[in-house]
Amino acid sequence: DVKVTQSSRYLVKRTGEKVFLECVQDMDHENMFWYRQDPGLGLRLIYFSYDVKMKEKGDIPEGYSVSREKKERFSLILESASTNQTSMYLCASSSLMVGLSLSYEQYFGPGTRLTVT
Amino acid sequence: AQSVTQPDIHITVSEGASLELRCNYSYGATPYLFWYVQSPGQGLQLLLKYFSGDTLVQGIKGFEAEFKRSQSSFNLRKPSVHWSDAAEYFCAVDPSGGYNKLIFGAGTRLAVHP
Repeated sequence: DVKVTQSSRYLVKRTGEKVFLECVQDMDHENMFWYRQDPGLGLRLIYFSYDVKMKEKGDIPEGYSVSREKKERFSLILESASTNQTSMYLCASSSLMVGLSLSYEQYFGPGTRLTVT
Repeated sequence: AQSVTQPDIHITVSEGASLELRCNYSYGATPYLFWYVQSPGQGLQLLLKYFSGDTLVQGIKGFEAEFKRSQSSFNLRKPSVHWSDAAEYFCAVDPSGGYNKLIFGAGTRLAVHP
């Protein structure tokens, strides 16, 4: 089974703290993604990476950065946490699509619920 | 603007009743289409996907979806709902042509009455 794990299920941080959210996948996937999930807004893409040390901004990158030093690990960094970053954060991974591969899908971790006070 | 719309925020059905969850997208070309389910406290699980070909797609847990190009829709259906189907359902599209950059709808929360 594909497994995407996230370092914490629940996290409480103070405003201004630097926050690291870690994600690890065990399927040798090229692509990794960070989303935030808010009620009524669905999932919004923060950053994604299609290779080690490669990253691209998603739809809402402001206030976030990422790091991908190893293929299996993708970290989301909040340089200075703010209350409006209180949210559920979901990590996902996928292989590159080749043709119309039946295995082409994103696999999600369980999420980290971050509260910034 | 490119978007994915799920018009129903909440839906309540009785156990054993049929279900249809609506999804519309606004993209020029036909994107790749997905339905995901999120049970309470869980990550997202893929129910089914459409890339091309037969417009009626079968998925897991007895779900199916039909792609209608003329309506830019990809509605999810189930003939008989079980209490365990109570969850949040997300429609997603991939307009990125293979990099799997998904655009999600806002979700539909399904409640099931006994």
